[in-house]
Formats: sequence, C-alpha cells, structure tokens
Amino acid sequence: GNSVTQMEGPVTLSEEAFLTINCTYTATGYPSLFWYVQYPGEGLQLLLKATKADDKGSNKGFEATYRKETTSFHLEKGSVQVSDSAVYFCALTPPSGGGADGLTFGKGTHLIIQP
Amino acid sequence: NAGVTQTPKFQVLKTGQSMTLQCAQDMNHEYMSWYRQDPGMGLRLIHYSVGAGITDQGEVPNGYNVSRSTTEDFPLRLLSAAPSQTSVYFCASSYSLGQGVYNEQFFGPGTRLTVL
Repeated sequence: GNSVTQMEGPVTLSEEAFLTINCTYTATGYPSLFWYVQYPGEGLQLLLKATKADDKGSNKGFEATYRKETTSFHLEKGSVQVSDSAVYFCALTPPSGGGADGLTFGKGTHLIIQP
Repeated sequence: NAGVTQTPKFQVLKTGQSMTLQCAQDMNHEYMSWYRQDPGMGLRLIHYSVGAGITDQGEVPNGYNVSRSTTEDFPLRLLSAAPSQTSVYFCASSYSLGQGVYNEQFFGPGTRLTVL
C-alpha cells in the first residue's frame, strides 16, 4: 500500500535558520504530493503541492521538489520565522485513477522556532 | 465562502453515549471525508464519500457510521462512544479532476472529542 515517512521531531531551530524536513514515500506510479501545515488549535491548511515528477511547489517561502528517483518531497525554507512554528504533514494521493481513498499522511513534524 | 465547517468544536461524552459530528461545505465538492488525528499517528481516514448517496470505509471505520444525503453535508455518527474514540476529528472535501481522480483536500477546523 501507500505510505509516507517523515521526520517526527520536534525540530527546534533559531529564527533565520535554514529548514529542511525530510519526506519520502512509497506508492506505485506517480502520486500527487502535498505539504500541509497545522497551526496550534487549527485545522490543516495546504502549504504547497506537486503533481508530477520534477515539479516544484512553493508558497510563503517554502519549497519542495517532487523527486521520483529518490521518492522524496523534502520541505525547505531559507530563513524561518517564529510564526512558522507549527506541525507539518507530508501527504500523497494515489496516482491517476485513484484518490477516492483519501490522503495518506505522514505522522507530522512539530517545528519550533525560537527567537 | 465559509469553506468546510464543523460543529461542535469540543465535546465530552460518557462511554456508551451516541452523538453526531456535523460537517458541511459550500464549495460544491463531490468528495468528502472524515479523519481522526491522534498523537504520533498522523491522520487516519475513517470514511469517505464521492457523492450524494455514496459512502465507503477508510482505514479505521469501526465504531463510526456516515451518510451523505446532500452534496453539502457529511455527518459522522458515533453509535456507542468508547474511550478509544477520544481524538480530534477533521472533515475534508475535495474536487474531481475528472475520471475519478481527486486532488488537494480542504479541511475543517476540527472537533475535539473526549470520551470518559
């Protein structure tokens, strides 16, 4: 079946540090890949997505590139802020012909940014 | 647009009680789903629906029922609550890209349920 593996943390960084959160996946074919963010007490918001190999998703200074050869979708940001403190989830939907099974999520990475 | 709305935000039940978690969306999305979020487990799919009158089980369906009588609403019913159902519940909706393929999901704010 499909699966997503990501570092669980907590990951603690100082403000303006460089961020990488690793995400690798197992799926047949070419799934769509997502990063969602959950701020304290809130629901999940889509941060960025990529739907085919070598696509780069970007939003709010965050980036992730769909790497088929390494089955990865690592999240990066060049300079984090205190406001980026949240839980980040990597997720996938099955490749074309699927999707009705919902999203497969990683377990989430709790990111803490200190001033 | 309000997006995906959920009620209540918080609920405390006693073991054996029943209740319904409400979910509604105003985006005319065909696809709706329920997830539960538990510490260290990520989100797990409970039930989903690809349109009015059509529902199916996800990864963890036991103890929960759903129905979809309209495009907008997708309630989740707990028939006899158990402490193992203490969790945060999220409803989500999505749109079709055609041919049964769905893409990004839009999430509600969640319902935090405690079963004593």
